[in-house]
Amino acid sequence: DSGVTQTPKHLITATGQRVTLRCSPRSGDLSVYWYQQSLDQGLQFLIQYYNGEERAKGNILERFSAQQFPDLHSELNLSSLELGDSALYFCASSEAPLYEQYFGPGTRLTVT
Amino acid sequence: AQTVTQSQPEMSVQEAETVTLSCTYDTSESDYYLFWYKQPPSRQMILVIRQEAYKQQNATENRFSVNFQKAAKSFSLKISDSQLGDAAMYFCAYRSARGSQGNLIFGKGTKLSVKP
Repeated sequence: DSGVTQTPKHLITATGQRVTLRCSPRSGDLSVYWYQQSLDQGLQFLIQYYNGEERAKGNILERFSAQQFPDLHSELNLSSLELGDSALYFCASSEAPLYEQYFGPGTRLTVT
Repeated sequence: AQTVTQSQPEMSVQEAETVTLSCTYDTSESDYYLFWYKQPPSRQMILVIRQEAYKQQNATENRFSVNFQKAAKSFSLKISDSQLGDAAMYFCAYRSARGSQGNLIFGKGTKLSVKP
């Protein structure tokens, strides 16, 4: 158990819908990262937050957004969902940006 | 931009034998970190080993060791005395040591099967 929690574990929804994925970092970790793992694109970095502020963006679609709240938990919002958004979404946290990252168990999103 | 390449989509090893997984990367930076992550069927990403680019000594963690060749930009993982529990996807990853971002760049992965 890495100490990073993600909810829900599984999510099945229809095209065009909007979903929110939640991540609670390890106690004391200020930095949160979101990654997407899909069959065709592999593991890709989406976005990073540090102490509530956006720090870096990767291959994140405009339909996706995220935020980190004062209690340091983070949410990833995916809207206007398409079939290709079906993937495993990981959250990772670290004490600070260049420290070790610990991964959560992931949320499996299926868009039908 | 940095890239990570794993040229072996699948590998197989006999239990108790040794296997080496390959990884090459491309970067213009001199300071960085390299990692091997294991992803078993449970999907959990587990850090296996890490290597700091400034260190010449290859990292070792029990049965896992790396062969880090900085000039060749090569970072292979050797698993000794393979066990059934080693069967998993293995991902090589790169992270810059500069700036304040710290995101990981992953290769496509190598699926390792262990035969009893």
